Amino acid sequence: GAVVSQHPSWVICKSGTSVKIECRSLDFQATTMFWYRQFPKQSLMLMATSNEGSKATYEQGVEKDKFLINHASLTLSTLTVTSAHPEDSSFYICSARYGNQPQHFGDGTRLSIL
Amino acid sequence: AQSVTQLGSHVSVSEGALVLLRCNYSSSVPPYLFWYVQYPNQGLQLLLKYTSAATLVKGINGFEAEFKKSETSFHLTKPSAHMSDAAEYFCAVSPGNTGKLIFGQGTTLQVKP
Repeated sequence: GAVVSQHPSWVICKSGTSVKIECRSLDFQATTMFWYRQFPKQSLMLMATSNEGSKATYEQGVEKDKFLINHASLTLSTLTVTSAHPEDSSFYICSARYGNQPQHFGDGTRLSIL
Repeated sequence: AQSVTQLGSHVSVSEGALVLLRCNYSSSVPPYLFWYVQYPNQGLQLLLKYTSAATLVKGINGFEAEFKKSETSFHLTKPSAHMSDAAEYFCAVSPGNTGKLIFGQGTTLQVKP
């Protein structure tokens, strides 16, 4: 089946640093990728939608300058959390889909900012 | 606007018992509906989806769900719970087939031996 790989799975860094999370579709071309944020014991909140080769569309309330998304190829999207602070600590999950097919999810990245 | 409400944040059943997880949706356009399962520290795995074909949808691991337009519901069921079914379950709606998913709050399923 379709596989989406997310890296790293866990990252701890100091406040003020920037962190990059990668999302790769391993066996299909992802025309669209999605980035979600999940707080403990809560649901997933869509942050942004990115289509290959175009700018990401951010959901209301999500700072695009804070969460930089790049979808440079049909198999890779990256999320960079810039100048991260403790309140950015969360579980970030990406998903990818080809055309109108269902989304396939990565295993998530747990981000802890000290 | 689209939204999803999952009734019951925590459901506990005995092994072998019926599993029923409730989901009600609100959508101004014909909805696409999904059930996902999430194990600890992992992403989501698709259990099943409704895309305006058959109202009774069969998924993986013995799960099924029935789309009831009159009740705006899409409840998930499994005749006999296994210990391995213990996980977090999310119902989601996608307006049309835009790909955007709006998730419910999630239901934690506990299976007792």
